[in-house]
Amino acid sequence: QQQVKQSPQSLIVQKGGISIINCAYENTAFDYFPWYQQFPGKGPALLIAIRPDVSEKKEGRFTISFNKSAKQFSLHIMDSQPGDSATYFCAARGASSGSARQLTFGSGTQLTVLP
Amino acid sequence: DGGITQSPKYLFRKEGQNVTLSCEQNLNHDAMYWYRQDPGQGLRLIYYSQIVNDFQKGDIAEGYSVSREKKESFPLTVTSAQKNPTAFYLCASSSGSSGNTIYFGEGSWLTVV
Repeated sequence: QQQVKQSPQSLIVQKGGISIINCAYENTAFDYFPWYQQFPGKGPALLIAIRPDVSEKKEGRFTISFNKSAKQFSLHIMDSQPGDSATYFCAARGASSGSARQLTFGSGTQLTVLP
Repeated sequence: DGGITQSPKYLFRKEGQNVTLSCEQNLNHDAMYWYRQDPGQGLRLIYYSQIVNDFQKGDIAEGYSVSREKKESFPLTVTSAQKNPTAFYLCASSSGSSGNTIYFGEGSWLTVV
């Protein structure tokens, strides 16, 4: 089964600090890497996404860094705010067809930004 | 407003009973999905459907069933065969043309009592 490993499980950051969440995938060709943000009791919402032909993508305070050779990608949240407190999921989509084409999610990181 | 509507938000089920979770979308999306979310395990795919009258098993389909009779509707039945049904269930959809961005509903909490 395709796997995406996410760390850390939980993260506490001071307001204004940088939050970094890491994900790694194993032995599978993935072609799309989104990050989702989920607030308690709500469904996840797409935050930012990247394709493997790009090493970095930035949208506002959120940046994805992608290392294809290491099979790793990470989310950086600059100037973290209390409103960023949520659970973050990385995901990867297989390049094959059928069920392998669907998104595989990491286990999630619960981010708490202290005021 | 366009979006995905899941109902009910909270549901309690007695052991041995089947229960059906509703999912309706007005985004005109071709593809629809059901995920299960357990603490510390992320989201796991139960079933997905790329087109009306067709659906495929995901990673954890045992004990679940679905139907896709209409483009906008994709109900999930949690059967008594599902041994650990207590979870947060998320319905999602995506445009068949892009297939990239998956939009989620607000979820349904199912508790077996």
